[in-house]
Amino acid sequence: DTEVTQTPKHLVMGMTNKKSLKCEQHMGHRAMYWYKQKAKKPPELMFVYSYEKLSINESVPSRFSPECPNSSLLNLHLHALQPEDSALYLCASSQEPVGDLGANEKLFFGSGTQLSVL
Amino acid sequence: GNSVTQMEGPVTLSEEAFLTINCTYTATGYPSLFWYVQYPGEGLQLLLKATKADDKGSNKGFEATYRKETTSFHLEKGSVQVSDSAVYFCALILNAGGTSYGKLTFGQGTILTVHP
Repeated sequence: DTEVTQTPKHLVMGMTNKKSLKCEQHMGHRAMYWYKQKAKKPPELMFVYSYEKLSINESVPSRFSPECPNSSLLNLHLHALQPEDSALYLCASSQEPVGDLGANEKLFFGSGTQLSVL
Repeated sequence: GNSVTQMEGPVTLSEEAFLTINCTYTATGYPSLFWYVQYPGEGLQLLLKATKADDKGSNKGFEATYRKETTSFHLEKGSVQVSDSAVYFCALILNAGGTSYGKLTFGQGTILTVHP
């Protein structure tokens, strides 16, 4: 199994809603990532979890709240989002955190959740 | 800081044409270099990579050579197919004992469309 699975594939929410994005991998990877991708732009790193601990938060607003319940799962909780938060949210994983000396640097990406905030 | 610059797109080619997508980088250390591809409606997939100067990464007919003297990692394919239509991202990670821990720096992406 070399897949990163994200659910849901599409999500429409209002600015007062609370929703969660889910990501799962069963490759035994120790690092998991959330990226945000606007149309026709490169992905932007949001969070990195390493060994189930948050290791990087790229100054993301608190209306985005990540959670790593176990080594296979990564959630992104959404609350009080703005229309400009509409984007494709990509989850990724790697064997070890990329950039770590000697690590295998291949990132495996999920297909993403296309989020629309109304 | 670290950055990746790709040629402006979109690039439109006929099937079997030769493809070059230029990529240059600036980095404060000694990076590993990557090409990722994103097909419509999907996440990114690693296409190829190179970890040191003069390394050539190759996969599915695509090639790129790590040129330290010109700080470049241009993507080439001798004969493109319609199925190669996608967005291509050049990217780098610094190899510096973990100081770039978790951070992949992407270029802006180049849209490739191949017509039959």
